[in-house]
Amino acid sequence: AQRVTQPEKLLSVFKGAPVELKCNYSYSGSPELFWYVQYSRQRLQLLLRHISRESIKGFTADLNKGETSFHLKKPFAQEEDSAMYYCALRGGGADGLTFGKGTHLIIQP
Amino acid sequence: ETGVTQSPTHLIKTRGQQVTLRCSSQSGHNTVSWYQQALGQGPQFIFQYYREEENGRGNFPPRFSGLQFPNYSSELNVNALELDDSALYLCASSLDLAGGTQEQFFGPGTRLTVL
Repeated sequence: AQRVTQPEKLLSVFKGAPVELKCNYSYSGSPELFWYVQYSRQRLQLLLRHISRESIKGFTADLNKGETSFHLKKPFAQEEDSAMYYCALRGGGADGLTFGKGTHLIIQP
Repeated sequence: ETGVTQSPTHLIKTRGQQVTLRCSSQSGHNTVSWYQQALGQGPQFIFQYYREEENGRGNFPPRFSGLQFPNYSSELNVNALELDDSALYLCASSLDLAGGTQEQFFGPGTRLTVL
């Protein structure tokens, strides 16, 4: 069975500090990995996907198949990064997304 | 271009009742997925519809059913409501092409409370 684990329920860092939100997954094939973000009073939206290999709002995430991880990183946190972050996996075909439980990121001034 | 909309925003039902939630897909999208998000949890995949047919399903019982209409709007029906069905129900639409599934765009959700 596929699973996504986000070990930190809450992560609090100071503005300007580096941020790393952890995500580990289990899946027998080659999954597609995503990070979704939900800002306060807004809907869930895609932040980035591993196949795009982009940097969005300063965030990057590298898929490490050996460690089955897809950690989200940003070198210098900004207050507007405070939000709920969800890591998600899609296996293939008509599989829906499998989400982790989410990490609440708080950036302190 | 309009985003994904859902109705109603909130709903209160009693155990054993039936409920229908509605979703209007983003313009141009042909696929809709439904998710259940319990408090403190990530969204959990219920099922997906493509061209009016269910083509993917998560670990939910048959009392969760759906429809997709020719205009790609969708309904989620839940029969014999249980207390544990209380959750935020999210609809997401996307454009599925031969090359793969594109980004899913989520609606604001419907908050269902079962008493």
